[in-house]
Amino acid sequence: GQQVMQIPQYQHVQEGEDFTTYCNSSTTLSNIQWYKQRPGGHPVFLIQLVKSGEVKKQKRLTFQFGEAKKNSSLHITATQTTDVGTYFCAGPSVAGGTSYGKLTFGQGTILTVHP
Amino acid sequence: SAVISQKPSRDICQRGTSLTIQCQVDSQVTMMFWYRQQPGQSLTLIATANQGSEATYESGFVIDKFPISRPNLTFSTLTVSNMSPEDSSIYLCSGGGYEQFFGPGTRLTVL
Repeated sequence: GQQVMQIPQYQHVQEGEDFTTYCNSSTTLSNIQWYKQRPGGHPVFLIQLVKSGEVKKQKRLTFQFGEAKKNSSLHITATQTTDVGTYFCAGPSVAGGTSYGKLTFGQGTILTVHP
Repeated sequence: SAVISQKPSRDICQRGTSLTIQCQVDSQVTMMFWYRQQPGQSLTLIATANQGSEATYESGFVIDKFPISRPNLTFSTLTVSNMSPEDSSIYLCSGGGYEQFFGPGTRLTVL
């Protein structure tokens, strides 16, 4: 079945340092999504990437979708304590076809930011 | 956007009993899903809650253990039946279009 791998599992940074998490799928994805889950909270949608090689920015966050549409990355510039949480990538479940919302999540990267 | 609420927020249950979790969306959504998440772990999809028909279960999850109802486009329930300690987890519902909105989760502890 489809697998979505995410590394690293944990990342500790000092406030102001950059952070990157990487996501790799065993199959080509029609799109990839990123979610953030704060400690004790629920996942919150950040962005969806659809096109091969697509790059999107949200303030200090930069999202990339690989040319082969099998990998993606999330880069945070100059981390802040508000960035703390778990970042998940998620791809549409293979069996889902055009079923929006049926997702296979990566393992997540737990980000800790030390002030 | 959609706002999703879940009840109960947490519960402690005895082995062998059942718990029904409710998920309410503040707007009509076509797709609703149920996930399970162990603390510090990723989300695992349990099933798709289909309105007007039986839920579609993922590998490893069966209707007898996790019966699901979806009477309309804003509401769904998940029952965890004949519980064992291995069912202790956080159960989340989601709904929406390509952007999924998640409920706050139900933290279940089975003794």
